[in-house]
Amino acid sequence: RKEVEQDPGPFNVPEGATVAFNCTYSNSASQSFFWYRQDCRKEPKLLMSVYSSGNEDGRFTAQLNRASQYISLLIRDSKLSDSATYLCVARDSGGGADGLTFGKGTHLIIQP
Amino acid sequence: DAGVIQSPRHEVTEMGQEVTLRCKPISGHDYLFWYRQTMMRGLELLIYFNNNVPIDDSGMPEDRFSAKMPNASFSTLKIQPSEPRDSAVYFCASSLTGQGAIFSPLHFGNGTRLTVT
Repeated sequence: RKEVEQDPGPFNVPEGATVAFNCTYSNSASQSFFWYRQDCRKEPKLLMSVYSSGNEDGRFTAQLNRASQYISLLIRDSKLSDSATYLCVARDSGGGADGLTFGKGTHLIIQP
Repeated sequence: DAGVIQSPRHEVTEMGQEVTLRCKPISGHDYLFWYRQTMMRGLELLIYFNNNVPIDDSGMPEDRFSAKMPNASFSTLKIQPSEPRDSAVYFCASSLTGQGAIFSPLHFGNGTRLTVT
């Protein structure tokens, strides 16, 4: 059974701090990974894609560790607007939903 | 790029009524997915299409749910009759196929919030 596990949180972090959370996946055939951000009562929005060892976009860094089968998301200089739920997704085949596995999300609260 | 477009944004209906949710995928995307999200169960895949053909509907809760995709730019999810336990947010998403498909993320519509009283 394919699973993607995330710590549901909530992670309560002061504004300006650095926060990191992991996502573990069970299917070693997973080839691509995605982090989505979901605000309350909104749709998931793509934050980052991770194909090789990692990816960086401004304050956000995603790293992939294939040996241990996890990906991490690091947020530097956190802002109040970063408060959201972060969904991790693993994909092991092209196209179909049978290759997609969603985690249940990590809830992040940035406190002033 | 207009993104994935869903309608209506909100739907409130009485138990027993028919509900139809609509989705327009991103032009050029040939995979379309219907998901349901609740606090208790998170995101659940209901059904997905490839080139307008339903591929896997094993996530559809029961016969009250049906989905169609008559063409590449339109899909519907119908619930008949609706029940209070169907209350949830229903998301449509689309993505690309082809050689690069495994690296293609899902793009979600803004969802339909359904409340069945």
